[in-house]
Amino acid sequence: AQSVAQPEDQVNVAEGNPLTVKCTYSVSGNPYLFWYVQYPNRGLQFLLKYITGDNLVKGSYGFEAEFNKSQTSFHLKKPSALVSDSALYFCAVRLPYGNNRLAFGKGNQVVVIP
Amino acid sequence: KAGVTQTPRYLIKTRGQQVTLSCSPISGHRSVSWYQQTPGQGLQFLFEYFSETQRNKGNFPGRFSGRQFSNSRSEMNVSTLELGDSALYLCASRTRQGPGDEQYFGPGTRLTVT
Repeated sequence: AQSVAQPEDQVNVAEGNPLTVKCTYSVSGNPYLFWYVQYPNRGLQFLLKYITGDNLVKGSYGFEAEFNKSQTSFHLKKPSALVSDSALYFCAVRLPYGNNRLAFGKGNQVVVIP
Repeated sequence: KAGVTQTPRYLIKTRGQQVTLSCSPISGHRSVSWYQQTPGQGLQFLFEYFSETQRNKGNFPGRFSGRQFSNSRSEMNVSTLELGDSALYLCASRTRQGPGDEQYFGPGTRLTVT
C-alpha cells in the first residue's frame, strides 16, 4: 500500500521568512514524488517532481524540494515566502510499477502573514 | 496550449438524480483521471482512462462511472445521487509516457446535492 503523510494541518509563516511544508511517504520501492498547490476555487497546479538523480529539485515560483530516502521525506521549501503563496499544498506519490496510481496527502494550508 | 477544461463549473442536483460531468484534456494528452475532493476525505482517486479504456479504479461504488472518447475527452457519471456526493470533482490529464509524468488539473466541477 502507498501512503503520504503531511503531518501539519496549517503552516503559518511571516512574509519574507523561509517556508517549509513537510511530507513523508510510506511505500516500498523507489517512488515518484510530486508537489501540487491549490488556490481557492481552482484546480491543482503542478509545482515540481522527483524521479531520480539530484535530491534537491527546483520547481515553479521559486519552490524547491529535498528528497531524503533514508527519512522517506520530500519536504517542500521556499527561501522567502510571499503573501501570494498562501494556498493549499499537496504532496503526492506514484509507484513506478503496478497501477501507477497517484496518491495524495491530506494537504497543508499555508498562511503567509504580511 | 489550452489547459484542461471541465464543464459545467457548478452544478446543483437533487438526491436521486444523476449527473454527467465533462473533461477535455490538454491537446496530446491521452490519459484522463478523475478525483473527488471533499474537506473531510481530501483528494480521492476515482478512475483513470487511457485510450478509451479504464486502467485504474478507486474505491467508489458502482454509481460512479466514466468513459473516454476517441479524442481523449472524458465524461464522468454519478447515478442516484446522495448528499455525500457533494464535492469538487477534478479532472487531470497527462501524456502517459510513464509514471513520472505529472498530471495537469482542470478547475473542477463543484457539485452540490440537496
